[in-house]
Amino acid sequence: GESVGLHLPTLSVQEGDNSIINCAYSNSASDYFIWYKQESGKGPQFIIDIRSNMDKRQGQRVTVLLNKTVKHLSLQIAATQPGDSAVYFCAEILSGSARQLTFGSGTQLTVLP
Amino acid sequence: EPEVTQTPSHQVTQMGQEVILRCVPISNHLYFYWYRQILGQKVEFLVSFYNNEISEKSEIFDDQFSVERPDGSNFTLKIRSTKLEDSAMYFCASTVKAYEQYFGPGTRLTVT
Repeated sequence: GESVGLHLPTLSVQEGDNSIINCAYSNSASDYFIWYKQESGKGPQFIIDIRSNMDKRQGQRVTVLLNKTVKHLSLQIAATQPGDSAVYFCAEILSGSARQLTFGSGTQLTVLP
Repeated sequence: EPEVTQTPSHQVTQMGQEVILRCVPISNHLYFYWYRQILGQKVEFLVSFYNNEISEKSEIFDDQFSVERPDGSNFTLKIRSTKLEDSAMYFCASTVKAYEQYFGPGTRLTVT
């Protein structure tokens, strides 16, 4: 069955350090993988996506890496800031689906001053 | 910047009552979704809607649930007879290209 999960439920980093949030998935039939950020009391906010035929994509201060061999996805945040504190979810879109998101269980990122 | 809006922000209802959650998607978007998030858990897909019909639904979306796009702007989720386990945050999302879904702020539904 489809399953997207995260390795670590919590992550604490010092302000200014880089953060790496990991995600494992089990379904090979996914077109896209997406990272969402959810701040307390708000809806998920799109960060970055990556197509299944790519292995790396960069945005502003964020990089997503996809390793299809081991079914692993990671989000790297450079120079982590206090405003980055949130829960981060990876999600996938299955090929042939109505493009609904299947979310993982989330990692709480806390940025320490 | 355009955004998805949802009303109400918090809805308290008694078990067995009907509730309607409302969403106004971003105006040029074509795909619409409802998700829910039970407190402390991951976001779960409920239903997708495209071209005025349901395109896919999850096992959660049983006969007690229905969706409607009554006019060109609103997108509603109705729960006919609420149960305690329906208590959750309900998020509406919309997109024009499906891979970047924009979520609303959510409606917190509390069933007592």
